[in-house]
Amino acid sequence: DAGVIQSPRHEVTEMGQEVTLRCKPISGHDYLFWYRQTMMRGLELLIYFNNNVPIDDSGMPEDRFSAKMPNASFSTLKIQPSEPRDSAVYFCASSLVYRRTGQSTGELFFGEGSRLTVL
Amino acid sequence: GENVEQHPSTLSVQEGDSAVIKCTYSDSASNYFPWYKQELGKGPQLIIDIRSNVGEKKDQRIAVTLNKTAKHFSLHITETQPEDSAVYFCAAAPTGNQFYFGTGTSLTVIP
Repeated sequence: DAGVIQSPRHEVTEMGQEVTLRCKPISGHDYLFWYRQTMMRGLELLIYFNNNVPIDDSGMPEDRFSAKMPNASFSTLKIQPSEPRDSAVYFCASSLVYRRTGQSTGELFFGEGSRLTVL
Repeated sequence: GENVEQHPSTLSVQEGDSAVIKCTYSDSASNYFPWYKQELGKGPQLIIDIRSNVGEKKDQRIAVTLNKTAKHFSLHITETQPEDSAVYFCAAAPTGNQFYFGTGTSLTVIP
């Protein structure tokens, strides 16, 4: 399996521009997570999906952030308009489900991240 | 919500020595505690995990201990090697779906 695939790996943009980050989870994984990593705050959970449905978006910083999962093999995280404080590495991760309980098995498989710099 | 604290933030050890990283958590409902290793330019990768029904788990040179009463858990790496140099994150999960990460420990193994 190719693992979780994220694009772009690096993005440099100017303040006010729209940014779209993309993620392809591992085939068969039911959960998809978006994390943001900064030196100051570490790994922060932004939002997660179960079977393409957003379950908890309480970590999304503000209305400028939105995430979608139109199908089981694709998700986007959009920032509009972007600001310098959004500069970070954004990770997508996916996980399997215990069929009996429907809960994540626990192991998160991370992509290699998208490094965003907003000037 | 859950609050996970991790110490130290940086750790340097001589090759062959042991390294210990400690984490505390606040939510007594947490029942799953994974450890992730992140190499430069990569995403975190699970190296070992422990569930609340056991106190210790070992996998070759890596071990994790859990004290539910005190709400703390630790990662132990023995016989460290240069390839162990990375950032290590602990996490706690109060449910099966949400993971709260510590702030990371940058481990340097000096040859």
